[in-house]
Amino acid sequence: DIQMTQSPSTLSASVGDRVTIACRASQDISSWLAWYQQKPGKAPKLLMYKASTLESGVPSRFSGSGSGTEFTLTISSLQPDDFATYYCQQYNSYPVTFGPGTKVDIK
Amino acid sequence: QVQLVESGGGVVQPGRSLRLSCAGSGFTFSDYAIYWVRQAPGKGLEWLAVISYDGANKNDADSVRGRFTISRENSKNTVYLQMNSPRTDDTAVYYCARDRCSGGHCQLNSFDIWGQGTVVTVSS
Repeated sequence: DIQMTQSPSTLSASVGDRVTIACRASQDISSWLAWYQQKPGKAPKLLMYKASTLESGVPSRFSGSGSGTEFTLTISSLQPDDFATYYCQQYNSYPVTFGPGTKVDIK
Repeated sequence: QVQLVESGGGVVQPGRSLRLSCAGSGFTFSDYAIYWVRQAPGKGLEWLAVISYDGANKNDADSVRGRFTISRENSKNTVYLQMNSPRTDDTAVYYCARDRCSGGHCQLNSFDIWGQGTVVTVSS
């Protein structure tokens, strides 16, 4: 199975900050990586797929990069609505696996 | 409005059975693979199973293989997750989600539409 790790596990930031979350795969997954945002009590929401393609309707302050085993999600200017937990997911092969999540909270 | 709605959750005793449903609307349900994902209390996301658009192909996680079965009835726009012999560690919110690619040519993809989730508590 492909293991996904994320860092940091928690990130404290202020509105307007530039925020970067890292995700690492245990083996090469090309660009078959997605990012999801989840708020408490809600379902995950797809932000990014194929590592760097923004899902329709997602603000352009979100961007993704990377390929192979190293990936990042960047929020260029953190907004109040962005405080949430973020998960990366590999869909290179079954079983689909998610990272453990990065919680972005208010500094 | 494109949506998925889960139902069937509740409290179930260990070893009993429960069937979850995932109903789709606002899109051509029979064109899409559907996944089940769960989230234990305070934990991350765990993929459980997938069924292809036509039901011909399935795949599931080691943690549920032999206990949970995914199926679908496209005539009812519904996918099911039959949970047999549940254990206490199956307690979680169960989500269904749609593959973001439609059609028979699609391979494994990200999940673009999620239901609101249904809570399953396994307890005696």
